[in-house]
Amino acid sequence: QVQLVESGGGVVQPGRSRRLSCVASGFTFNNYGMHWVRQAPGKGLEWVAITWYDGVNKYYADSVKGRFTISRDNSKNTLYLQMDSLRAEDTAVYYCARDKSGTSLYAMDVWGQGTTVTVSS
Amino acid sequence: DIQMTQSPSSLSASVGDRVTITCQTSQDINNSLNWYQQKPGKAPKLLIYDASNLETGVPSRFSGSGSGTDFTFSISSLQPEDIATYYCQQYDNLPLTFGGGTKVEMK
Repeated sequence: QVQLVESGGGVVQPGRSRRLSCVASGFTFNNYGMHWVRQAPGKGLEWVAITWYDGVNKYYADSVKGRFTISRDNSKNTLYLQMDSLRAEDTAVYYCARDKSGTSLYAMDVWGQGTTVTVSS
Repeated sequence: DIQMTQSPSSLSASVGDRVTITCQTSQDINNSLNWYQQKPGKAPKLLIYDASNLETGVPSRFSGSGSGTDFTFSISSLQPEDIATYYCQQYDNLPLTFGGGTKVEMK
């Protein structure tokens, strides 16, 4: 079945780095754009980043621009989020999500279960 | 950035009630709006895309309408399994933005 499984979360000290992974299965990964969306404890949803189907075009929320990098390895059906210079306000559940489109913005129709990142000393 | 104003932030209703949530955007987004349901401890789930299209497998008691800057999401007859938080989200422009959410509780 169509599935996204995130991993890589955990407790990390402020200023340090962490890489999240999202493995896709059940669909042709390289046909779809992919997002990262996060949710701070008790808060709403915040879009983080998108990469189009080929991994060339990428866009970021201002809150993470210059610190986070989204990438994908289509040969491994895997999406990544490299998070550098982490701050306390990056503490959240991070979800990967599939976009219905490969090359434009549309709807996030498949979501992973989320992985929790806690930034704390 | 496109601002999303979702209301109410919470509501309480009884089984069988009609529930309505509104979402207003800070600029015209045509019909580039989606609605998601999120149950506690779970990932969001897409219910409505393009403002009014029902995602495959979603019960027909859910519906959406609107265009431009004003949108409405409805549950025609609230069921116990509909207890969740609902979010609107625009995709007309980056950055993608979500409404603040509406928590639906059972009376």
